[in-house]
Amino acid sequence: GAGVSQTPSNKVTEKGKYVELRCDPISGHTALYWYRQSLGQGPEFLIYFQGTGAADDSGLPNDRFFAVRPEGSVSTLKIQRTERGDSAVYLCASSFSSGGGNEQFFGPGTRLTVL
Amino acid sequence: GIQVEQSPPDLILQEGANSTLRCNFSDSVNNLQWFHQNPWGQLINLFYIPSGTKQNGRLSATTVATERYSLLYISSSQTTDSGVYFCAVLYNFNKFYFGSGTKLNVKP
Repeated sequence: GAGVSQTPSNKVTEKGKYVELRCDPISGHTALYWYRQSLGQGPEFLIYFQGTGAADDSGLPNDRFFAVRPEGSVSTLKIQRTERGDSAVYLCASSFSSGGGNEQFFGPGTRLTVL
Repeated sequence: GIQVEQSPPDLILQEGANSTLRCNFSDSVNNLQWFHQNPWGQLINLFYIPSGTKQNGRLSATTVATERYSLLYISSSQTTDSGVYFCAVLYNFNKFYFGSGTKLNVKP
């Protein structure tokens, strides 16, 4: 596609439920990043993939969060047993490759609300 | 990690005015980008500028990597420039760190 796409654009769920957020990167981009943005703050890094493997998952807040990218393209961020504190906008970005010298492009985000 | 500080946190301008936004970072970085987050939350790439100066229309940016800062200049501001401006730095080749942003409000 022309840009990074994310689905759904909005997700409302109840505390304790499981959610999946999807990211479709720019075609040909091998690096994919997930961020979380809380109100009034800048995005915070969660995890990044180079190809199919998670090269750095140090930003995942706890073991309720998990992400996959099985074929090196689309990625899914999975959150188990959601809590109200998980409410935020989840942003996905992709770049041609990882490392210095590569510009990141962001999707429109998924706004997650946990009631 | 690395600290990224943006100033000012809030800025109100009259349409037509010029402004300078600043981004300071606490360590050497591999890359730096400026983004504009529009009212719908979309992050729009403005500049990819690890060093030097770039210009794009009414916007320009300068990064002095050796002194660990970057500046974003907005000239002849328009109401459509309103939103939040973020600086993001790539540190250790794999992770972007964002500042807390400058919220700009351009009044007609």
